[in-house]
Amino acid sequence: EAQLVQSGGALAQPGGSLRLSCAASGFTFRNYEMIWVRQAPGKGLEWVSYISSPSTVIYYVDSVKGRFTVSRDNAKNSLYLQMDSLSADDTGVYYCAGRKFWSESFGMDVWGQGTTVTVAS
Amino acid sequence: EIVLTQSPGTLSLSPGERATLSCGASQSVNSNYLIWYHQRPGQAPRLLIYGASNRAPGIPDRISGVGSGTDFTLTISRLEPEDAGVYYCHLYADSGPLPFGGGTRVEIK
Repeated sequence: EAQLVQSGGALAQPGGSLRLSCAASGFTFRNYEMIWVRQAPGKGLEWVSYISSPSTVIYYVDSVKGRFTVSRDNAKNSLYLQMDSLSADDTGVYYCAGRKFWSESFGMDVWGQGTTVTVAS
Repeated sequence: EIVLTQSPGTLSLSPGERATLSCGASQSVNSNYLIWYHQRPGQAPRLLIYGASNRAPGIPDRISGVGSGTDFTLTISRLEPEDAGVYYCHLYADSGPLPFGGGTRVEIK
């Protein structure tokens, strides 16, 4: 069964850093392009970042550019999101998700369970 | 930037009724890239529909999608309690992140 297991969410101070991880199992991770999506409390979904496989194409939403860095290690079947200079606006549940890059479906068909990031002093 | 606008904001219907959800794009889009997700409370989103009208594996045929250009519709016939939650439309793009639609909340009476 395809599965993404997330970790790394925590309480962080404004200006602080966190590193989120997303571990893949049950499928060939290197064949998947991956995204990070976040959801502020009581709000909708927000696309945060995209990374291709290999990591040749990377995108960020404007609000996190220069502060967040997405990366992946296909040998370890893992995706990461390094989050620096955190602010209260970054508070929310963060999801990793992916799709096989040659799939006819452009929807993300495997999702992590989410990890909660809270930025507060 | 393309904006996706969903309506209505909330639907409150009884089991067995039909739900019609709309997603409008601010400009014409490639329907192959139009996606619908369903998020139940406290859960991660789940892929429902891809390419505007194709059901993802395991999605029942009482859930269907249609549309092209700027107007897309998700229909849930014969609502069941498990259909409660928020439905989001989204547009895949190979040129960078695009916002999700604002979502439609479906409440089952």
